[in-house]
Amino acid sequence: AQSVTQPDIHITVSEGASLELRCNYSYGATPYLFWYVQSPGQGLQLLLKYFSGDTLVQGIKGFEAEFKRSQSSFNLRKPSVHWSDAAEYFCAVGSYQGGKLIFGQGTELSVKP
Amino acid sequence: DGGITQSPKYLFRKEGQNVTLSCEQNLNHDAMYWYRQDPGQGLRLIYYSQIVNDFQKGDIAEGYSVSREKKESFPLTVTSAQKNPTAFYLCASSIVEVWGNQPQHFGDGTRLSIL
Repeated sequence: AQSVTQPDIHITVSEGASLELRCNYSYGATPYLFWYVQSPGQGLQLLLKYFSGDTLVQGIKGFEAEFKRSQSSFNLRKPSVHWSDAAEYFCAVGSYQGGKLIFGQGTELSVKP
Repeated sequence: DGGITQSPKYLFRKEGQNVTLSCEQNLNHDAMYWYRQDPGQGLRLIYYSQIVNDFQKGDIAEGYSVSREKKESFPLTVTSAQKNPTAFYLCASSIVEVWGNQPQHFGDGTRLSIL
């Protein structure tokens, strides 16, 4: 069955430091992968997506993610974190049933001044 | 601007009462989805619809009902059979593709609480 695991429930980084959020998926074919961000009390906003092609994907707000098929991973990175990046981040994979997405449990990011 | 509108933002339910959450989109998307979000549990799919007058149960459909009479609208009713309805409810929509998945666009959510 398809699944998504985000191993880190909560991460704290200092402002200006680099960030990497982990995402591992289970999927039998070439996956469609997404990263979303959610501010408190808000909906989810798409950061980036991977469908095929270049395994390094650029997104909004300076985020990027790298698809590694051999490791079944799609980790999200940012070279320098800003206080406004504090939020919850969700990784998702497209399911075999067209349109549905399977979400990970989320990683809450806190940013220290 | 195109988007998804959920209303109300906050909703309170009394014991034994049914309540309906509204979701409207003007993105011309065929597919719409309802998720429930609880702390530490991510998003769980309640119902989804890929075309007007058709919908399918998600992973946690018990105690909920939906309708899809118009492409733009996908209301969710939380019935009295749902014993633990307190949660944050998110509506989403997307383009439908036969192969693969397009990104889902989300509304700002409705927070439902029990009185």
